Parts: sequence; C-alpha cells; structure tokens
Amino acid sequence: SQQGEEDPQALSIQEGENATMNCSYKTSINNLQWYRQNSGRGLVHLILIRSNEREKHSGRLRVTLDTSKKSSSLLITASRAADTASYFCATDARASGTYKYIFGTGTRLKVLA
Amino acid sequence: EAQVTQNPRYLITVTGKKLTVTCSQNMNHEYMSWYRQDPGLGLRQIYYSMNVEVTDKGDVPEGYKVSRKEKRNFPLILESPSPNQTSLYFCASSSHLAGGSYEQYFGPGTRLTVT
Repeated sequence: SQQGEEDPQALSIQEGENATMNCSYKTSINNLQWYRQNSGRGLVHLILIRSNEREKHSGRLRVTLDTSKKSSSLLITASRAADTASYFCATDARASGTYKYIFGTGTRLKVLA
Repeated sequence: EAQVTQNPRYLITVTGKKLTVTCSQNMNHEYMSWYRQDPGLGLRQIYYSMNVEVTDKGDVPEGYKVSRKEKRNFPLILESPSPNQTSLYFCASSSHLAGGSYEQYFGPGTRLTVT
C-alpha cells in the first residue's frame, strides 16, 4: 500500500485556538491537496500546493510542503466549531508515472465551543 | 449547479448478486475516479479514468469493474459482491487539462452493505 498518513489521528481543541495536522507520503508528487469531510459526507477540496511551492495560504488555512521530508502540514487558525470535521491529504503520483491519487488516513478534528 | 451524483445512496444486497453504482458529473471533467472508505483506512482508490474509453486500476481494484463510454458517466460494477466489499463508496471528478485546478469534486457517497 502506498497510503499516506496523517497525525494526529484525532485532535480536540477549544474554539479560537489553532489546529495543526501533518501528512506524510511515500512517492514523488506533482501536487498535494487537503480535503475536509463532514461526518460521512463527500469530501470538499480546501487547498492545493504544488511540488515547487513551500507554503500557501487561503483564508484561515496555511499549508506547508517539504518535499525532502515527504511531508506537509495544514494549519487552521482561529478555529470555529464549524471546522469540526475529518481532514485528509491527497497526493497524486504523476511524478511516478501514474494518475493515481493516494489519500491519507485522516485527522479527526473536534473544535469545542 | 456543478455536481457529481451517485445512485443509489444506500444499498443492501446479498453475496453474489451483481450490482451497479452509477456516477455522473456535469462539469465536463476528463478525470473520474472511484474510492472506497473504510474506518481507519481513509480513502482508497479503486479505479480511475483519464477520459472516455481510458481506465486504469487504483490501489484496490480486485472485485470491481468500471467503464467510461461517455464523458459524464463512470459506473462502478460489482459482478459478484462479497461481504468484504461492504463500504462507503465515493465517486469524484476533476479537470486534468493544462491549467486545470486538479481539484476533485466528490459525490455524496453510496453506502453498500453486502450480507
């Protein structure tokens, strides 16, 4: 299996605090994406970072990518109860010659009001 | 409204009874994909398609078939379902053309139980 991994598996924080989750992957990539999933529903795309980028921002989201360590982090600042969800990273494997996508196992975030 | 639709949303069936889960997208996307989601395992890709008549295996293709006869549709076929195929299934589509966003749009999911 080429599955990526996120850590922590679960995270519980107070509203207003920052949440950081990490993703590690195994293959060379063209880009890495983060998705959110609310309770068994379809995933929603949050942000994409290309392999030649090191940091990207979108609203309260900040993503970093370290291709030498094959890792990425997602920071959600000033968290809200509505951010409660599971978060997944996904990598494409085009740099390895296929068009597969590999998802991590996810981080379950709970934001307490 | 841009969307990916899946049918049925819920299905309970018996071992060996062939079934098809349909997937349709209205965004003219080239790339379509099927995933299964199991507790503790995240999402695993079953099959994907780069365009009409072009399909390829993901990480867990055993026991599944797909076809891509039209750009908008990408059905998932279980010829002889078994209990280990009980799972939550998602279809997704994205644009992979040069300049495309590569953002995958996901359907609402199909919860399949095989007894």
